[in-house]
Parts: sequence; C-alpha cells; structure tokens
Amino acid sequence: GENVEQHPSTLSVQEGDSAVIKCTYSDSASNYFPWYKQELGKRPQLIIDIRSNVGEKKDQRIAVTLNKTAKHFSLHITETQPEDSAVYFCAASNGYGQNFVFGPGTRLSVLP
Amino acid sequence: DAGVIQSPRHEVTEMGQEVTLRCKPISGHNSLFWYRQTMMRGLELLIYFNNNVPIDDSGMPEDRFSAKMPNASFSTLKIQPSEPRDSAVYFCASSLSSPARGDEQFFGPGTRLTVL
Repeated sequence: GENVEQHPSTLSVQEGDSAVIKCTYSDSASNYFPWYKQELGKRPQLIIDIRSNVGEKKDQRIAVTLNKTAKHFSLHITETQPEDSAVYFCAASNGYGQNFVFGPGTRLSVLP
Repeated sequence: DAGVIQSPRHEVTEMGQEVTLRCKPISGHNSLFWYRQTMMRGLELLIYFNNNVPIDDSGMPEDRFSAKMPNASFSTLKIQPSEPRDSAVYFCASSLSSPARGDEQFFGPGTRLTVL
C-alpha cells in the first residue's frame, strides 16, 4: 500500500520568510496530492491540491510542486504570516478507489 | 449547507462501555470517511463509504470497531467494548464523489473521545 513521508516534522520561520514542506510517496499509481491545514483544535481543511498531469500549481502565497519521477511533492508558502501557523498534512491518493494516505504532519510556527 | 455534522462533540466513557459516534455528511456528497487522529499515530483513515457501501475498511483497528451507513445522510461508528487506547479525536469527512476522482474532503468538527 501507499506510504507517505513528510519533512520536517516541525518548522519555525520568521514572519515574512518562506516555508517549504516536502513529502514523498511510494505508490507510483498515486495521482492526486492534496495539502490540508489544521489549526489548533480545529478540523483539517484543504488549502491546495495537485494532480499528476500538472507539475506546479499556485494560489496566491501558496504553491505546490510535483515530481512524479522522484515521487515527491512540496508545499511552498511565501511571505508567511502568523495565521499560517498550523499543522500541515500532505496526502496521496490513487485512482483505483484507494483513499488518501496522509503524511504525519508538519507543525509550522511563524514567529512575529 | 451546515457542513459535515458530528455528534457528540465530546464523549467521556469508561472502559468496556459501548460508544457510538454519529455523522451527517454534506447533502449530495456520495463518499463518507471516518478518521482517527492521535498524537502518536497522526491522521488514520478507518473506513470509507461510497454510495452508502463500505469500500475500504482496512483501517479499522479490530473487531471492536464497526461502521454503518444506513442511508445517504447518516453514518455511525461504534466501538464495543471501548478501551483507553481508543481515546482520540474521530473525524468524519465527506466528498462529492469517489476517492478515485480526487475530490476535496470536507471534515466535520470531530468527536473527542476519552475512555477512562
């Protein structure tokens, strides 16, 4: 089955700096890669996703890149703000009815 | 739409008791998922349903856990008998179509379960 690893487990950045979180997956059949943000005590919420036919996707300060050959994808947050502080989860899913496998999460702290 | 609704929001019970968690997905969504979240194990998929049919229950930890979806607007996750190691936050999520389509999952607020 799919295995998703995520690094780093914790990340602290100064407000205004960029943050990068990386994930690797094992199942070459995976073709959908979402990122979820979970604020303390709240539910996970989708912030961006990418499919295997696309190498990069951007939404304002957030971007995701995908390297299918190397089986890794990354989340990039630019101009970080304190409200970006949360746990971020990557996930991978294939098209054969097998559902998402989430990574272990990255706790991002944006220091003012 | 009110989003995914879960009840109760908090549950405290004693070891050996039966626990039932409830979920109402977003109207029109065809897939429903149950997750468990703990500090040690992260976010784990327990089971998911598509069109009320259980598709993948490989994440259900053991026979003490069971899930049902009698209709498109209601699902339950039951633990019988409960054990302290079942203490976790249980999330229900729903999506418009099957996981193979890669649709966004909308999570409910979660049920925080504590088994003493």
